[in-house]
Amino acid sequence: DTAVSQTPKYLVTQMGNDKSIKCEQNLGHDTMYWYKQDSKKFLKIMFSYNNKELIINETVPNRFSPKSPDKAHLNLHINSLELGDSAVYFCASSEGSGYIYNEQFFGPGTRLTVL
Amino acid sequence: SQQGEEDPQALSIQEGENATMNCSYKTSINNLQWYRQNSGRGLVHLILIRSNEREKHSGRLRVTLDTSKKSSSLLITASRAADTASYFCAAIPPGGSRLTFGEGTQLTVNP
Repeated sequence: DTAVSQTPKYLVTQMGNDKSIKCEQNLGHDTMYWYKQDSKKFLKIMFSYNNKELIINETVPNRFSPKSPDKAHLNLHINSLELGDSAVYFCASSEGSGYIYNEQFFGPGTRLTVL
Repeated sequence: SQQGEEDPQALSIQEGENATMNCSYKTSINNLQWYRQNSGRGLVHLILIRSNEREKHSGRLRVTLDTSKKSSSLLITASRAADTASYFCAAIPPGGSRLTFGEGTQLTVNP
C-alpha cells in the first residue's frame, strides 16, 4: 500500500504553461507539506496544511497555489511556469498539529522540467 | 532560519566499514531528524532524537546529539552496498516551522 502518492512522476512542459501536481496520503495524518528540491539537492519547505488549513507559507511566488480539498489530499498548482521552477517536488505528511515536530512521510517526488 | 548542515558532503567507503556523518545547526531545537534518500526517490525517515536525549540507536544506526555544540552525528555500522544514498539532517526548532534540510551527505558504499 502506498502511503504518500504523487502524480505525475515526471512532468515536462513549456514556459508559460499552467500545471498541477496531485498528492494523496492514506496514513490518516492531519498535516501535509510540499517541498522543492533543486539540482544541488537542497530541500526546502514551501507549504504546510493542517486539516485543510494553511499553516506554513514560505516565501514562494504567488504563481504557486496549494489546494487541499480534504485532509488526505494536497495539490500544487503552478501558473505561468518559468525555467527556474524546474526541480523535484515532494509531498509529505505527518501526524500532529501542523508544526514540524514529527516524522514525515515523503512521496516519491515529481520531477518537473520546464523547457 | 533553522538549518541542518551535513558534513562531509561526500563519503566513499568499503562494505563492512563504518560511516559517520555530522550535522550542525544554529539555534535551539525541539528535536533533530535524520533521513535517507535513495537516488530518484523520496526521503525516508531514519531516526528522531529529542533535545533532551544524547544518544539513540536503531538497528545499525546510532545517532548522537550534543546540544552544547549544536551538532549531531549519524553512525552506520557494518555498512552495506544498499546503504548507498544521500543522508540529510533536519533540526526542528521549538516553535516548529521553517524547516530546511541541508544538501546532505552522499554516501557510497563499495562492494
